[in-house]
Amino acid sequence: AQSVAQPEDQVNVAEGNPLTVKCTYSVSGNPYLFWYVQYPNRGLQFLLKYITGDNLVKGSYGFEAEFNKSQTSFHLKKPSALVSDSALYFCAVRDPVPVNYGGSQGNLIFGKGTKLSVKP
Amino acid sequence: SAVISQKPSRDICQRGTSLTIQCQVDSQVTMMFWYRQQPGQSLTLIATANQGSEATYESGFVIDKFPISRPNLTFSTLTVSNMSPEDSSIYLCSVDYRGQKDTQYFGPGTRLTVL
Repeated sequence: AQSVAQPEDQVNVAEGNPLTVKCTYSVSGNPYLFWYVQYPNRGLQFLLKYITGDNLVKGSYGFEAEFNKSQTSFHLKKPSALVSDSALYFCAVRDPVPVNYGGSQGNLIFGKGTKLSVKP
Repeated sequence: SAVISQKPSRDICQRGTSLTIQCQVDSQVTMMFWYRQQPGQSLTLIATANQGSEATYESGFVIDKFPISRPNLTFSTLTVSNMSPEDSSIYLCSVDYRGQKDTQYFGPGTRLTVL
């Protein structure tokens, strides 16, 4: 069965410092991997994804993530954190869907979320 | 990306009543999904809604409690029936843009409090 682990409930970073939010996954085959961000009282916003190709994926708001197949990880990174980056971050995995998929095949499985707090 | 709206954005309801949440997308999509996010928790998929067919429910969710409609390719509703305080959650709809390598985009969510 697919699963996603975010080992840290909270990450605290000083503004201007680099940040890393960790994610590891367990899935058979080649997964699709995603990061979403949820600001207080808001829905989920898509940040970036890895489908195939270059292991370093760049996304919105200066975030990037590195896919590491041998370590089954997809950590989210940003070189210089902003106070406005403070939010809840979710990693998600999805099986590549077969051509005739239907029902619940290929659905997103979310990690439990990591709260990022960036202090001035 | 899709523009997705949900109504209502929040509501406070009494135990035993029902609430219908609407999800509207600005373009036609194949798949629509409904998720629940309980306080302090991650997202859990309730069901997948295809236009013109019955919704497919995940384990632990049943149609009598969470009936779903999908009358066309831009709209869906989720009803939370016979509510109890345990139903207090954020309910989110999402859509699956097949043309964008299976990325799901989410609506702003409906924050439900049941007293």
